[in-house]
Amino acid sequence: GDSVTQMEGPVTLSEEAFLTINCTYTATGYPSLFWYVQYPGEGLQLLLKATKADDKGSNKGFEATYRKETTSFHLEKGSVQVSDSAVYFCALSGYALNFGKGTSLLVTP
Amino acid sequence: SAVISQKPSRDICQRGTSLTIQCQVDSQVTMMFWYRQQPGQSLTLIATANQGSEATYESGFVIDKFPISRPNLTFSTLTVSNLSPEDSSIYLCSVDVTPLKEQYFGPGTRLTVT
Repeated sequence: GDSVTQMEGPVTLSEEAFLTINCTYTATGYPSLFWYVQYPGEGLQLLLKATKADDKGSNKGFEATYRKETTSFHLEKGSVQVSDSAVYFCALSGYALNFGKGTSLLVTP
Repeated sequence: SAVISQKPSRDICQRGTSLTIQCQVDSQVTMMFWYRQQPGQSLTLIATANQGSEATYESGFVIDKFPISRPNLTFSTLTVSNLSPEDSSIYLCSVDVTPLKEQYFGPGTRLTVT
C-alpha cells in the first residue's frame, strides 16, 4: 500500500542554518504530496503542497519539489528561525491522507 | 480553506467512561475525517464520516468503540467509548475541501484517561 518515510528526528539547528528534511514515498498512481507543520500545543497546518511531478510547493520560505524519478518530496529552507521549531509531517493523498512519522525540528538562537 | 473548531480542547476522563468530541466547520463539506495522534506519534486515520451514511472505519477501529455521527454537512461527533489509558491521545477532525485532497485540521482534543 501507499506509504511515506521521513527522516528520523529530532533535528537541532542553529538559527539561520539550512534545513533539509527528507521524505520519500511509495504509491500507486500519482498522488498529491503535502507538508504539514504542528507547532507546540497546536493542531496541524498545511505548509505546502505539490500535485504533480516537478511541481514545487512553497510557503513561508519553505520549499519542496515533487520528484517522481526519486519518489521524493524533501522539505528545505535556506535560513531557519527559532519560530520554525515544530514537528513536520510529510503526507500523500489517497482515500485520506497517509502521514509519515513526523520530524521534530528544534532551532536554537 | 476552512475554519474548524473542536470541543472540548482537552479533557481528563476516568477509565470506563466515554467522551464525545464535537467538530464544527464554517462551510459545508462532503468528507470529514477523524484521526488519532498517540503521544509522540504520527496521525492514524480512525474513520471517514459522510453525511447521510454510516462512517467508514479503518482497520483496527470499530464502531462500538468509536461511534461517529454526521447529522449535516458542517458538523460531526466522535465518541470514544469504554475508555482505557491506551486511549490517551489527541483526536483531530479534518475536512477535505477540494478535489485535490487538501485537508484542513481542527485544533485537536487532548484526551487523558486515568
